[in-house]
Amino acid sequence: DTGVSQDPRHKITKRGQNVTFRCDPISEHNRLYWYRQTLGQGPEFLTYFQNEAQLEKSRLLSDRFSAERPKGSFSTLEIQRTEQGDSAMYLCASSAGTSLRLEEQYFGPGTRLTVT
Amino acid sequence: SQQGEEDPQALSIQEGENATMNCSYKTSINNLQWYRQNSGRGLVHLILIRSNEREKHSGRLRVTLDTSKKSSSLLITASRAADTASYFCATGYSIQGAQKLVFGQGTRLTINP
Repeated sequence: DTGVSQDPRHKITKRGQNVTFRCDPISEHNRLYWYRQTLGQGPEFLTYFQNEAQLEKSRLLSDRFSAERPKGSFSTLEIQRTEQGDSAMYLCASSAGTSLRLEEQYFGPGTRLTVT
Repeated sequence: SQQGEEDPQALSIQEGENATMNCSYKTSINNLQWYRQNSGRGLVHLILIRSNEREKHSGRLRVTLDTSKKSSSLLITASRAADTASYFCATGYSIQGAQKLVFGQGTRLTINP
């Protein structure tokens, strides 16, 4: 399977705990994005990497959130001191970074986080 | 907020009928994309229309874009039960040499057999 993969698919955690999600983009895609989707809503942009550089962060990404892409391949998203409001589907997407007008983002299956 | 709006929020039709969903947005865009999402799963890219295009077809899908009205529509012809899903429009905005997608709230489409 050469698509975007995410791990784990589901995570249940208690409030206050830290969680980390992993995203493996399509190989050779230099751009990687994280989005968050709550129930009944469309995804919201969180952050963007070009290779290993984090170039854009949404104001939705509070200090408790940190994302890395250390070698320009896979990425991790960590949430510290989780709150119930963090419960959502976390989606990762990647793109080849060619023409802006033709850029298609390919999404992974998401990690569903439930904070109890 | 840059987020667009989709209309209707929910649509239920009989198999074989056509389904039309509308999307409006607020500011200038690079392109507009439509995605499908089956219940609780990831997003599948359907079609991308550039800001200088007015209409695009892909199989049973037809997308129109009216930049003067800042709106787009997705038409699914001859619907099938497998088309049951949520459909999202996403507008592309430039960021640091790439683009972020801003999604609408989606239209939940149900095809009744």
